[in-house]
Amino acid sequence: AQTVTQSQPEMSVQEAETVTLSCTYDTSESNYYLFWYKQPPSRQMILVIRQEAYKQQNATENRFSVNFQKAAKSFSLKISDSQLGDTAMYFCAQETSGSRLTFGEGTQLTVNP
Amino acid sequence: KAGVTQTPRYLIKTRGQQVTLSCSPISGHRSVSWYQQTPGQGLQFLFEYFSETQRNKGNFPGRFSGRQFSNSRSEMNVSTLELGDSALYLCASSLEGRGHEQYFGPGTRLTVT
Repeated sequence: AQTVTQSQPEMSVQEAETVTLSCTYDTSESNYYLFWYKQPPSRQMILVIRQEAYKQQNATENRFSVNFQKAAKSFSLKISDSQLGDTAMYFCAQETSGSRLTFGEGTQLTVNP
Repeated sequence: KAGVTQTPRYLIKTRGQQVTLSCSPISGHRSVSWYQQTPGQGLQFLFEYFSETQRNKGNFPGRFSGRQFSNSRSEMNVSTLELGDSALYLCASSLEGRGHEQYFGPGTRLTVT
């Protein structure tokens, strides 16, 4: 079975600083897709970033970037210049078995002023 | 483009009743997936529909069913509700499914009493 693990249930960071959220996954597939989603208090799931496993280049979206280590099955999210609006639950997800998303347990990130 | 919409947003039902939730995907998207989110089990995949056919199914009992219409709108039905079915039900749409970003709706909060 596919598993996604987020080992940090909670993290906090000061506004304008950088924070890294960790994620590891397990799969036997050679081609797959990884995602980070954020879920603010409104509960709306918002796509943050997407990584294709066959691409070695790490994905970047403005202040958000990933460190994708395929051999180690690691997929961490770096948030630069943290803003108050980044406060949310962050979920790492792997696409498996077609378009099924398997999610990690989530990391609650709090950005402090 | 309008985002994914879900109706109703909130629902209270009694144990033993049945319920139908609706999801309208982003225009042009043909894949619709459903997820259940609870504090105890996290985010779990229910099923995916593509071009009116169920393409993928999670590990939920037969009380959970769904369908998709020719305009890609989807409904999910839960029969004989149990207290444990209380959850946030999220719908996600994507262009084709596999490898494509999934965009989530705001969810339907179901409470079973």
